[in-house]
Amino acid sequence: AQSVSQHNHHVILSEAASLELGCNYSYGGTVNLFWYVQYPGQHLQLLLKYFSGDPLVKGIKGFEAEFIKSKFSFNLRKPSVQWSDTAEYFCAVNADTGTASKLTFGTGTRLQVTL
Amino acid sequence: NAGVTQTPKFRILKIGQSMTLQCAQDMNHNYMYWYRQDPGMGLKLIYYSVGAGITDKGEVPNGYNVSRSTTEDFPLRLELAAPSQTSVYFCASRPGTGGNSGANVLTFGAGSRLTVL
Repeated sequence: AQSVSQHNHHVILSEAASLELGCNYSYGGTVNLFWYVQYPGQHLQLLLKYFSGDPLVKGIKGFEAEFIKSKFSFNLRKPSVQWSDTAEYFCAVNADTGTASKLTFGTGTRLQVTL
Repeated sequence: NAGVTQTPKFRILKIGQSMTLQCAQDMNHNYMYWYRQDPGMGLKLIYYSVGAGITDKGEVPNGYNVSRSTTEDFPLRLELAAPSQTSVYFCASRPGTGGNSGANVLTFGAGSRLTVL
């Protein structure tokens, strides 16, 4: 079964600091990878996704993620965070099993950006 | 606006009561999902459906039931509410099958916060 690990549970950064959130998954086959963001009081929204091709994926609001197959990782990065980036971030994996392709989510990382 | 609509947004139940969380999508998506979100636990899949008339269990189905009589609707029923079911419930949907396409991207509803006392 696929699983997803997010190592950072709570991250506190000052505005303009750089961000990197770790995500590792366990599945040996083809995967689709996602980062979702949940702003306070809101539902999950897609930040970016990787299906194939260039392993460096750019998403909305200046976020990017790099798929490193050899490390089973899909870390999220942003060069300079803003106060409005305060949210919870979820990494998710969808193993292309050809069935219902259920997403498996990590436990989430709560990012708090201070002024 | 097109999307996933969940009702109610908030509900307080007493132990042993039953209720149904409603979920409807108007995007003609085949796949629909129910997740629960608990602090520090991420999202856990309760049930999912690949089309009208077809449902299957996810990771944490105990205490819940679902039905999918139409493409649009995917209600989640709690028969005998327990404190362990206090959670935020999210419904989600996506267009189609796997592969390198947007068909794998989930659209989430706004969530339903349930408290069982």
